[in-house]
Amino acid sequence: DTAVSQTPKYLVTQMGNDKSIKCEQNLGHDTMYWYKQDSKKFLKIMFSYNNKELIINETVPNRFSPKSPDKAHLNLHINSLELGDSAVYFCASSQDGASGRVEQFFGPGTRLTVL
Amino acid sequence: AQKITQTQPGMFVQEKEAVTLDCTYDTSDPSYGLFWYKQPSSGEMIFLIYQGSYDQQNATEGRYSLNFQKARKSANLVISASQLGDSAMYFCAIYRTGFSGGYNKLIFGAGTRLAVHP
Repeated sequence: DTAVSQTPKYLVTQMGNDKSIKCEQNLGHDTMYWYKQDSKKFLKIMFSYNNKELIINETVPNRFSPKSPDKAHLNLHINSLELGDSAVYFCASSQDGASGRVEQFFGPGTRLTVL
Repeated sequence: AQKITQTQPGMFVQEKEAVTLDCTYDTSDPSYGLFWYKQPSSGEMIFLIYQGSYDQQNATEGRYSLNFQKARKSANLVISASQLGDSAMYFCAIYRTGFSGGYNKLIFGAGTRLAVHP
């Protein structure tokens, strides 16, 4: 059973289009995240949701809109795609905890290519 | 703000030798956690090892150990008996503990690409 899954794995699209990436976790975790990995492999947090509530929004353009219909799902919708949006997008989840180890489990990533 | 520095963009090691990947961090939080993740060429992020800032002993997980020197703010990853399958990108990451409600974002370093030669 896949712990954190993302669809699609690859996404190739034209500039200006709108696209969505879906993420689901079956770990029963409270918190989900979106990270972006650029062409230089640098990983940066974009958003975090806890129990469907947006907690972290890291100055991401408002063309990016996360949506969490329930705590097992966190989708990412991107409007008016730009060349610079080409990257690998990772979804992750973790068990909410005020202290101690809070390991994040990552999905397989979605490679987005904007032409 | 928290920051992770990985100064080695690339490393290589002979198979069966040990290798140390460097990681230094900067944080003003008294309580934090440090992670190492492996990213093979297939792209997935694989958790390797965790060290809490209050842990008295260095973390170990099989062939992986973390050389944690709190005063120097370093958390180097040591891989013993390297295998060809260890060739990958390795990321060090930090997060602050003591917070709940989704605030546990990971701050990643730039990564080190390790190549294991036969």
